[in-house]
Amino acid sequence: DGGITQSPKYLFRKEGQNVTLSCEQNLNHDAMYWYRQDPGQGLRLIYYSQIVNDFQKGDIAEGYSVSREKKESFPLTVTSAQKNPTAFYLCASKSPEALLFFGSGTQLSVL
Amino acid sequence: LAKTTQPISMDSYEGQEVNITCSHNNIATNDYITWYQQFPSQGPRFIIQGYKTKVTNEVASLFIPADRKSSTLSLPRVSLSDTAVYYCQSASSYKLIFGSGTRLLVRP
Repeated sequence: DGGITQSPKYLFRKEGQNVTLSCEQNLNHDAMYWYRQDPGQGLRLIYYSQIVNDFQKGDIAEGYSVSREKKESFPLTVTSAQKNPTAFYLCASKSPEALLFFGSGTQLSVL
Repeated sequence: LAKTTQPISMDSYEGQEVNITCSHNNIATNDYITWYQQFPSQGPRFIIQGYKTKVTNEVASLFIPADRKSSTLSLPRVSLSDTAVYYCQSASSYKLIFGSGTRLLVRP
């Protein structure tokens, strides 16, 4: 069935390590998004991509990187420069009607 | 970019109607207003979207006054399972940002 698939569900990062969160969609949407959510807080925009091979920084892009080589995929790398990476990460794609469809999220924790 | 303001939290009881108002004073002409519901450890899911006046679907109604500077999500006869965080969003551009949301607690 159609939707957004995020993996893994849980991820642990060692200090100084880069980790990559996967996001795949089969909704044929052009635009995709990454949000970060801290406990009890709202969603903050990290990066977004309007189309393949294009992406823009959101409000909290420092310490993160993305790529958009395929329409279906928008992976997020949490680099060692992100000193406080523990959070719930949500990926979404946007329909032509400006509706966001979210994945089930990845909980990232630091060892 | 439009910025939204909502109450931080609301309490209700089962069977009551709940109205959550969102302020979006800087809404642009092309912006739609969209509401999402989020349960713990899950991604938000779409509830309802509108541009002006009133929109109703099987789960909620959305009221938007003529000046479109605010909107009200109406949940009829809430149940315990409606306990969640509700976000409003006004945007038509690609940079879609969220406010802090409203935590709704439904009590027995």
